[in-house]
Amino acid sequence: QQQVKQSPQSLIVQKGGISIINCAYENTAFDYFPWYQQFPGKGPALLIAIRPDVSEKKEGRFTISFNKSAKQFSLHIMDSQPGDSATYFCAATLFLRSNDYKLSFGAGTTVTVRA
Amino acid sequence: DSGVTQTPKHLITATGQRVTLRCSPRSGDLSVYWYQQSLDQGLQFLIQYYNGEERAKGNILERFSAQQFPDLHSELNLSSLELGDSALYFCASSVGGAGEKLFFGSGTQLSVL
Repeated sequence: QQQVKQSPQSLIVQKGGISIINCAYENTAFDYFPWYQQFPGKGPALLIAIRPDVSEKKEGRFTISFNKSAKQFSLHIMDSQPGDSATYFCAATLFLRSNDYKLSFGAGTTVTVRA
Repeated sequence: DSGVTQTPKHLITATGQRVTLRCSPRSGDLSVYWYQQSLDQGLQFLIQYYNGEERAKGNILERFSAQQFPDLHSELNLSSLELGDSALYFCASSVGGAGEKLFFGSGTQLSVL
Protein backbone atom coordinates (compact mmCIF):
# COMPACT_ATOMS: atom_id res chain seq x y z
CA GLN A 1 0.00 0.00 0.00
CA GLN A 2 1.55 3.23 -1.16
CA GLN A 3 1.17 5.82 1.55
CA VAL A 4 2.30 8.75 -0.60
CA LYS A 5 0.79 9.23 -4.02
CA GLN A 6 2.72 11.43 -6.45
CA SER A 7 1.63 12.97 -9.73
CA PRO A 8 2.23 13.46 -12.56
CA GLN A 9 4.52 10.60 -13.52
CA SER A 10 6.33 12.92 -15.92
CA LEU A 11 6.11 16.46 -17.17
CA ILE A 12 7.71 18.62 -19.80
CA VAL A 13 8.10 22.35 -19.31
CA GLN A 14 9.69 25.08 -21.34
CA LYS A 15 12.68 26.94 -20.00
CA GLY A 16 11.48 29.70 -17.72
CA GLY A 17 8.19 27.98 -16.98
CA ILE A 18 6.84 26.61 -13.70
CA SER A 19 7.01 22.91 -12.87
CA ILE A 20 4.46 21.65 -10.35
CA ILE A 21 4.55 18.22 -8.74
CA ASN A 22 1.83 17.11 -6.36
CA CYS A 23 1.81 14.58 -3.56
CA ALA A 24 -0.97 13.32 -1.32
CA TYR A 25 -0.67 11.29 1.83
CA GLU A 26 -3.03 9.24 3.96
CA ASN A 27 -1.54 9.13 7.43
CA THR A 28 -2.18 12.39 9.25
CA ALA A 29 0.57 11.54 11.69
CA PHE A 30 3.32 12.13 9.12
CA ASP A 31 5.38 15.04 10.41
CA TYR A 32 8.24 15.61 8.00
CA PHE A 33 7.96 15.96 4.22
CA PRO A 34 11.20 15.98 2.22
CA TRP A 35 11.71 16.20 -1.52
CA TYR A 36 14.60 14.42 -3.19
CA GLN A 37 16.09 15.25 -6.58
CA GLN A 38 17.75 12.55 -8.67
CA PHE A 39 19.84 13.16 -11.78
CA PRO A 40 20.46 10.32 -14.23
CA GLY A 41 23.16 7.99 -12.98
CA LYS A 42 23.15 9.51 -9.50
CA GLY A 43 21.50 8.78 -6.22
CA PRO A 44 18.66 10.95 -4.90
CA ALA A 45 19.72 14.03 -2.96
CA LEU A 46 17.66 15.96 -0.43
CA LEU A 47 16.40 19.13 -2.10
CA ILE A 48 14.04 20.77 0.37
CA ALA A 49 11.84 19.68 3.25
CA ILE A 50 8.92 21.01 5.26
CA ARG A 51 7.20 20.28 8.55
CA PRO A 52 3.39 20.45 8.83
CA ASP A 53 3.37 23.52 11.04
CA VAL A 54 4.45 25.61 8.04
CA SER A 55 2.31 26.18 4.94
CA GLU A 56 5.12 27.15 2.60
CA LYS A 57 8.88 26.92 2.41
CA LYS A 58 11.02 28.51 -0.27
CA GLU A 59 14.63 27.86 -1.14
CA GLY A 60 15.78 29.71 -4.22
CA ARG A 61 13.56 28.70 -7.14
CA PHE A 62 12.09 25.72 -5.26
CA THR A 63 8.99 26.10 -3.11
CA ILE A 64 7.03 23.55 -1.11
CA SER A 65 3.37 24.34 -0.52
CA PHE A 66 1.71 22.34 2.24
CA ASN A 67 -2.03 21.91 2.78
CA LYS A 68 -2.52 20.03 6.02
CA SER A 69 -6.32 19.85 5.84
CA ALA A 70 -6.22 18.38 2.33
CA LYS A 71 -3.27 16.12 3.19
CA GLN A 72 -1.43 17.38 0.13
CA PHE A 73 1.86 19.03 -0.57
CA SER A 74 3.49 20.16 -3.77
CA LEU A 75 6.82 21.23 -5.19
CA HIS A 76 6.96 24.27 -7.43
CA ILE A 77 10.03 24.90 -9.54
CA MET A 78 9.96 28.51 -10.67
CA ASP A 79 11.83 29.74 -13.76
CA SER A 80 12.64 26.11 -14.66
CA GLN A 81 16.05 25.59 -16.21
CA PRO A 82 17.44 22.70 -18.29
CA GLY A 83 19.66 21.84 -15.34
CA ASP A 84 16.52 21.11 -13.31
CA SER A 85 15.75 18.14 -15.57
CA ALA A 86 15.71 15.26 -13.11
CA THR A 87 13.42 12.88 -11.27
CA TYR A 88 11.82 14.28 -8.15
CA PHE A 89 10.58 12.15 -5.27
CA CYS A 90 8.35 13.37 -2.49
CA ALA A 91 8.41 11.54 0.82
CA ALA A 92 6.70 11.55 4.16
CA THR A 93 8.18 10.58 7.50
CA LEU A 94 6.53 9.66 10.74
CA PHE A 95 8.75 9.80 13.78
CA LEU A 96 7.71 7.43 16.52
CA ARG A 97 9.25 6.76 19.88
CA SER A 98 12.78 5.50 20.40
CA ASN A 99 14.05 6.26 16.90
CA ASP A 100 11.26 4.20 15.33
CA TYR A 101 9.82 5.76 12.23
CA LYS A 102 8.04 5.23 8.96
CA LEU A 103 9.37 6.70 5.73
CA SER A 104 7.37 6.49 2.53
CA PHE A 105 8.49 7.69 -0.89
CA GLY A 106 6.27 8.73 -3.77
CA ALA A 107 6.71 7.01 -7.12
CA GLY A 108 8.69 9.89 -8.62
CA THR A 109 8.15 12.51 -11.32
CA THR A 110 10.50 12.91 -14.24
CA VAL A 111 10.82 16.58 -15.16
CA THR A 112 12.19 17.58 -18.54
CA VAL A 113 12.93 21.25 -19.14
CA ARG A 114 13.20 22.15 -22.82
CA ALA A 115 15.47 25.01 -23.82
CA ASP B 1 29.44 14.09 -3.64
CA SER B 2 27.20 12.74 -0.87
CA GLY B 3 30.05 11.07 1.01
CA VAL B 4 28.41 7.65 0.68
CA THR B 5 30.51 5.19 -1.30
CA GLN B 6 29.05 2.20 -3.09
CA THR B 7 30.99 -0.50 -4.88
CA PRO B 8 30.94 -1.82 -7.47
CA LYS B 9 29.24 0.70 -9.76
CA HIS B 10 28.21 -1.98 -12.23
CA LEU B 11 27.75 -5.70 -11.83
CA ILE B 12 26.83 -8.19 -14.52
CA THR B 13 26.10 -11.74 -13.52
CA ALA B 14 24.04 -14.76 -14.45
CA THR B 15 20.85 -16.18 -13.01
CA GLY B 16 21.38 -18.35 -9.97
CA GLN B 17 24.53 -16.54 -8.91
CA ARG B 18 25.27 -14.68 -5.70
CA VAL B 19 26.64 -11.16 -5.44
CA THR B 20 27.65 -8.77 -2.67
CA LEU B 21 27.15 -5.04 -2.82
CA ARG B 22 29.17 -2.86 -0.50
CA CYS B 23 28.40 0.50 1.09
CA SER B 24 30.48 2.87 3.18
CA PRO B 25 28.35 5.51 4.91
CA ARG B 26 29.28 9.13 5.47
CA SER B 27 31.69 9.70 8.29
CA GLY B 28 29.71 9.89 11.52
CA ASP B 29 26.50 8.40 10.15
CA LEU B 30 25.25 5.43 12.12
CA SER B 31 22.40 4.32 9.87
CA VAL B 32 22.61 2.56 6.55
CA TYR B 33 19.58 2.00 4.33
CA TRP B 34 19.30 -0.15 1.23
CA TYR B 35 16.89 0.68 -1.58
CA GLN B 36 16.11 -1.01 -4.86
CA GLN B 37 15.14 1.14 -7.84
CA SER B 38 13.68 -0.29 -11.00
CA LEU B 39 11.99 1.56 -13.83
CA ASP B 40 8.45 0.69 -12.85
CA GLN B 41 8.79 0.40 -9.08
CA GLY B 42 10.35 3.65 -7.93
CA LEU B 43 12.39 3.50 -4.72
CA GLN B 44 11.68 0.32 -2.81
CA PHE B 45 12.99 0.18 0.74
CA LEU B 46 14.76 -3.06 1.53
CA ILE B 47 16.36 -2.82 4.96
CA GLN B 48 17.99 -0.47 7.45
CA TYR B 49 20.76 -0.97 9.97
CA TYR B 50 21.54 1.36 12.83
CA ASN B 51 24.87 1.05 14.60
CA GLY B 52 25.24 -2.60 13.66
CA GLU B 53 21.71 -3.75 14.38
CA GLU B 54 18.79 -4.25 12.06
CA ARG B 55 16.37 -1.34 12.61
CA ALA B 56 13.71 -1.67 9.93
CA LYS B 57 12.78 -4.11 7.25
CA GLY B 58 10.91 -3.43 4.04
CA ASN B 59 10.08 -5.57 1.06
CA ILE B 60 13.29 -7.55 1.15
CA LEU B 61 13.22 -11.00 -0.39
CA GLU B 62 14.37 -14.01 1.63
CA ARG B 63 17.10 -14.50 -0.99
CA PHE B 64 18.53 -11.14 0.05
CA SER B 65 20.36 -10.41 3.27
CA ALA B 66 22.40 -7.59 4.68
CA GLN B 67 24.61 -6.74 7.58
CA GLN B 68 26.40 -3.77 9.06
CA PHE B 69 29.89 -4.27 10.38
CA PRO B 70 31.58 -2.69 13.43
CA ASP B 71 33.22 -0.08 11.20
CA LEU B 72 29.66 0.76 10.05
CA HIS B 73 30.09 -0.27 6.44
CA SER B 74 27.32 -2.47 5.13
CA GLU B 75 26.97 -5.27 2.64
CA LEU B 76 23.88 -6.42 0.78
CA ASN B 77 24.01 -10.03 -0.33
CA LEU B 78 21.78 -11.16 -3.18
CA SER B 79 21.61 -14.88 -3.89
CA SER B 80 19.89 -17.21 -6.35
CA LEU B 81 19.61 -14.24 -8.64
CA GLU B 82 16.72 -13.95 -11.05
CA LEU B 83 16.25 -11.77 -14.12
CA GLY B 84 13.82 -9.63 -12.15
CA ASP B 85 16.51 -8.70 -9.66
CA SER B 86 18.13 -6.51 -12.28
CA ALA B 87 17.90 -3.00 -10.86
CA LEU B 88 19.78 -0.10 -9.40
CA TYR B 89 20.59 -0.68 -5.75
CA PHE B 90 21.16 2.35 -3.58
CA CYS B 91 22.66 2.67 -0.19
CA ALA B 92 21.89 5.71 1.92
CA SER B 93 23.09 6.84 5.30
CA SER B 94 21.91 9.19 8.00
CA VAL B 95 23.18 10.37 11.35
CA GLY B 96 20.29 9.04 13.36
CA GLY B 97 18.05 6.06 12.95
CA ALA B 98 14.76 7.69 12.11
CA GLY B 99 14.86 8.09 8.35
CA GLU B 100 15.58 11.78 8.41
CA LYS B 101 17.79 13.47 5.80
CA LEU B 102 19.14 10.53 3.87
CA PHE B 103 22.38 10.81 1.91
CA PHE B 104 22.39 8.44 -1.05
CA GLY B 105 25.32 6.86 -2.81
CA SER B 106 25.53 6.68 -6.59
CA GLY B 107 24.21 3.15 -6.65
CA THR B 108 25.20 -0.24 -8.02
CA GLN B 109 23.64 -1.18 -11.34
CA LEU B 110 22.99 -4.92 -11.25
CA SER B 111 22.29 -6.73 -14.48
CA VAL B 112 21.27 -10.38 -14.26
CA LEU B 113 21.53 -12.14 -17.62
